[in-house]
Amino acid sequence: AQSVTQPDIHITVSEGASLELRCNYSYGATPYLFWYVQSPGQGLQLLLKYFSGDTLVQGIKGFEAEFKRSQSSFNLRKPSVHWSDAAEYFCAAAGTASKLTFGTGTRLQVTL
Amino acid sequence: EAGVAQSPRYKIIEKRQSVAFWCNPISGHATLYWYQQILGQGPKLLIQFQNNGVVDDSQLPKDRFSAERLKGVDSTLKIQPAKLEDSAVYLCASSLDLVMIYEQYFGPGTRLTVT
Repeated sequence: AQSVTQPDIHITVSEGASLELRCNYSYGATPYLFWYVQSPGQGLQLLLKYFSGDTLVQGIKGFEAEFKRSQSSFNLRKPSVHWSDAAEYFCAAAGTASKLTFGTGTRLQVTL
Repeated sequence: EAGVAQSPRYKIIEKRQSVAFWCNPISGHATLYWYQQILGQGPKLLIQFQNNGVVDDSQLPKDRFSAERLKGVDSTLKIQPAKLEDSAVYLCASSLDLVMIYEQYFGPGTRLTVT
């Protein structure tokens, strides 16, 4: 079955520190991959997406993600976290059926 | 450009009652989605419309959930009767069309609590 796994439920980082959120997928073929952010009381906002080509993808708000086929991973990174980055982050994938499958999310807490 | 609008933002009902949620997508967006997001889980697609036709409702519990998009713009999602396990955030999203399915814009959601 197609699935997306985010192993970390909750991560705490200090402001200014680097961040990496993990995402693994299980699909028959390489799916399209996405990262969304959800702030409290807000809808989901697309941070970045990977369809094909360059495996390092740049997104909004200074985020980037790297696709690694050998590890079935699509980890999200940011070199220096800001307090405003505190939110819930969802990894998602879509295969040929074009239906988005979301992971369970990682809640990011930023300490000052 | 106005985003996806949803109302109400919060709703508390007792089990076995009925409830309805409303969504107004971004102007010109032909495709509309309803997702259910249970606490601690990612959003799960309930139903997808293309204009006023249903594209996918395979995960919609049809014995109690219904949705419509009569004029191809606004949509309503109804639950009747509600169960405790329906407590969740219901998200509406829209995209320009089926080709742009990956460019979905989400509304703020309606948080439903069933007691």
